[in-house]
Amino acid sequence: GAVVSQHPSRVICKSGTSVKIECRSLDFQATTMFWYRQFPKQSLMLMATSNEGSKATYEQGVEKDKFLINHASLTLSTLTVTSAHPEDSSFYICSASEQGAWYQPQHFGDGTRLSIL
Amino acid sequence: SQQGEEDPQALSIQEGENATMNCSYKTSINNLQWYRQNSGRGLVHLILIRSNEREKHSGRLRVTLDTSKKSSSLLITASRAADTASYFCATDTKGGSEKLVFGKGTKVTVNP
Repeated sequence: GAVVSQHPSRVICKSGTSVKIECRSLDFQATTMFWYRQFPKQSLMLMATSNEGSKATYEQGVEKDKFLINHASLTLSTLTVTSAHPEDSSFYICSASEQGAWYQPQHFGDGTRLSIL
Repeated sequence: SQQGEEDPQALSIQEGENATMNCSYKTSINNLQWYRQNSGRGLVHLILIRSNEREKHSGRLRVTLDTSKKSSSLLITASRAADTASYFCATDTKGGSEKLVFGKGTKVTVNP
């Protein structure tokens, strides 16, 4: 089945550090990938839609300069949390659809636990 | 506000019992999906039901959809300890923005 790989699985770093998270579709091409943030015991909140070869679409309230998204190939999207602060600590998850459509079943990465000290 | 709201928030049952959880939503939809999330992991797609479908089965899973009540239910029959996870419904919005909106989830604990 379709696999989405996300790295790293866990990051612990100091405040002010920039952190890059990678999301790869291993056996299918993904023109669109989605980045979510999940707080403990809460639901997923969509942060942005990553589009291959074009700018990402950010949800209201998400700072595009804070959360940089690059989707340079059909199998890789990256999320960079710039100058991270403790309030950015969270669980970040990416997803992509094998069928390419946002309303089709999504395949999720295993998430990245980000802890900013 | 959340499009999908699951009920109950948490459910604890014994192995072999059935687990039922509900999802309510507010706007017209094209599809409704259910996902499972094991602790600290990503989500796994379970089943998709279209707005013109009323019931769908996949193995031990049974999903119903009532568009008149804007609600869906997920039934897990003959539960196993491995079914312990959080379950989320996700909806799109007919004619709305191109994104899925996830509910808050139901945490299911199956005791051996």
